Amino acid sequence: KQEVTQIPAALSVPEGENLVLNCSFTDSAIYNLQWFRQDPGKGLTSLLLIQSSQREQTSGRLNASLDKSSGRSTLYIAASQPGDSATYLCAVLPSSNTGKLIFGQGTTLQVKP
Amino acid sequence: SAVISQKPSRDICQRGTSLTIQCQVDSQVTMMFWYRQQPGQSLTLIATANQGSEATYESGFVIDKFPISRPNLTFSTLTVSNMSPEDSSIYLCSSLKGPTEAFFGQGTRLTVV
Repeated sequence: KQEVTQIPAALSVPEGENLVLNCSFTDSAIYNLQWFRQDPGKGLTSLLLIQSSQREQTSGRLNASLDKSSGRSTLYIAASQPGDSATYLCAVLPSSNTGKLIFGQGTTLQVKP
Repeated sequence: SAVISQKPSRDICQRGTSLTIQCQVDSQVTMMFWYRQQPGQSLTLIATANQGSEATYESGFVIDKFPISRPNLTFSTLTVSNMSPEDSSIYLCSSLKGPTEAFFGQGTRLTVV
């Protein structure tokens, strides 16, 4: 059974710092991995999607990597800003590709001015 | 463009009543998914809704409690029936574009008193 774990559960950093959020999964048979942002009480906004054949994706200050063989993904945020404060969720789509995502517990990030 | 409009965005309901949540997609999609996010927890899939067939429920979720409609390829509803305080959660609908990139509605924050 696929399990997704995110470490740390919470993170507080000063503005301007570069940071890394971690996501691990137990079964390497994935179709893709997606990183989301969630503001309190709100829905999910997709940040980056990495297909199983890809190693990384970049969007602005965000860079996501994928090491499928070791079951790990990282989300790198450069030059963090207070507006980056949110919960970040990673989710895997198993290779069966039924559309059903399996989510990690999330990392709640606070960027202090 | 892949946008889901979900409503209501939040509601406070009396125990024993029912609430119907609506999701409208701006394009035709094959599958729609309904997730629950309990306070402080990650997302758990409730069911998959395909047009023209009954929804498929995940373990622990039943149709009597969470009836789902999918009358066409752009619309779905989830009803939370006979609510109790334990049903207080964020409910989210989702679909796929691309066809494997997930996108979500804005979420419905439900409080049962």
